[in-house]
Amino acid sequence: DAKTTQPPSMDCAEGRAANLPCNHSTISGNEYVYWYRQIHSQGPQYIIHGLKNNETNEMASLIITEDRKSSTLILPHATLRDTAVYYCIVRVENSGYALNFGKGTSLLVTP
Amino acid sequence: DVKVTQSSRYLVKRTGEKVFLECVQDMDHENMFWYRQDPGLGLRLIYFSYDVKMKEKGDIPEGYSVSREKKERFSLILESASTNQTSMYLCASRRGNTGELFFGEGSRLTVL
Repeated sequence: DAKTTQPPSMDCAEGRAANLPCNHSTISGNEYVYWYRQIHSQGPQYIIHGLKNNETNEMASLIITEDRKSSTLILPHATLRDTAVYYCIVRVENSGYALNFGKGTSLLVTP
Repeated sequence: DVKVTQSSRYLVKRTGEKVFLECVQDMDHENMFWYRQDPGLGLRLIYFSYDVKMKEKGDIPEGYSVSREKKERFSLILESASTNQTSMYLCASRRGNTGELFFGEGSRLTVL
């Protein structure tokens, strides 16, 4: 699986959009981009995933660049409850069974 | 809702004790996983299982074993606990090879 690079920490004001970047310059054509988050003292929670097209669900939007070497997770109106560590993972579907989590980005949403 | 339940949220054990961490999922998922999480190191995969009685080593299997006797239950075993196994342990499950992982709340183990 391709390696990802994320900033270790970010801040965002409550009510503003939080844009979390992820670099995956060695991604291959059949690798998906997954995002999870982990709120303090809880297990990680799935947010969204995509291959090449932009994706949106009730939690967030995922923007993948045309060359697929990077992506951005967008939380459109961040709340205090969005304070968490966000993990970007790339993985080939059906290639195996495990997702390898890195260190993620610690997002702090401030009042 | 999918539910992954870990038997203990907090455990304190002594060096050399045998430790069982239990995980049960209620959605008939084929795949189950055990991770440990340590500050600065993220989540690291210990073992996973893709079927009953099947298991595969993850990145850090040393000092651990697992058991999958029933589809819904995946146990992590520390045969002789050591202080460097003090950590947060997270269980997860997934249907097949695709889609999202569902995690439990975690078990924080302290080995004295």
